[in-house]
Amino acid sequence: NAGVTQTPKFQVLKTGQSMTLQCAQDMNHEYMSWYRQDPGMGLRLIHYSVGAGITDQGEVPNGYNVSRSTTEDFPLRLLSAAPSQTSVYFCASSTGTYGEQFFGPGTRLTVL
Amino acid sequence: TQLLEQSPQFLSIQEGENLTVYCNSSSVFSSLQWYRQEPGEGPVLLVTVVTGGEVKKLKRLTFQFGDARKDSSLHITAAQPGDTGLYLCAGADKNRDDKIIFGKGTRLHILP
Repeated sequence: NAGVTQTPKFQVLKTGQSMTLQCAQDMNHEYMSWYRQDPGMGLRLIHYSVGAGITDQGEVPNGYNVSRSTTEDFPLRLLSAAPSQTSVYFCASSTGTYGEQFFGPGTRLTVL
Repeated sequence: TQLLEQSPQFLSIQEGENLTVYCNSSSVFSSLQWYRQEPGEGPVLLVTVVTGGEVKKLKRLTFQFGDARKDSSLHITAAQPGDTGLYLCAGADKNRDDKIIFGKGTRLHILP
């Protein structure tokens, strides 16, 4: 099993550009989440999904969209990148709300 | 508002010493997890505690969940350089539909 995979590992964008961060898991987990990690701020939840076709907002959802068309994939879209979105983004999957979260290796995004 | 306070933020000690880091909140948690994160990687789960007063041991690491399920501690005995990393606690907040909330972490450095 590959676990949770994320692509790309690094990305540089210009302000206003859009892009999609990819996340996939092969553990058949129902729950998937996107977090951003900033120095001194810890991990903050952006969006999450409790199953295919179901998504909900987390703590910091503005500027991001998600969809969950399959159990395996949970892409995160930046609609119009801003410098404030410079961060490290982690995708995670879980068997449930109380379950162990498996994190991907992260995507380091810089917005100029 | 930071719902999970971790202390200390930074800790640098000599190999062989003991240490305790704390995770405190005014909220009650259905479950609480500890993760360790190394540079350039995603967090990796160490333990989940779910019962008030629960104590779990993982080799030299001892985790305790407070009786009221509002706080937790991680004690490391005879710290080793391999214990170096960022330690994160995360809780399923009963006041927020059991959404997972992360603390900002304790950055631990063990000097050889």
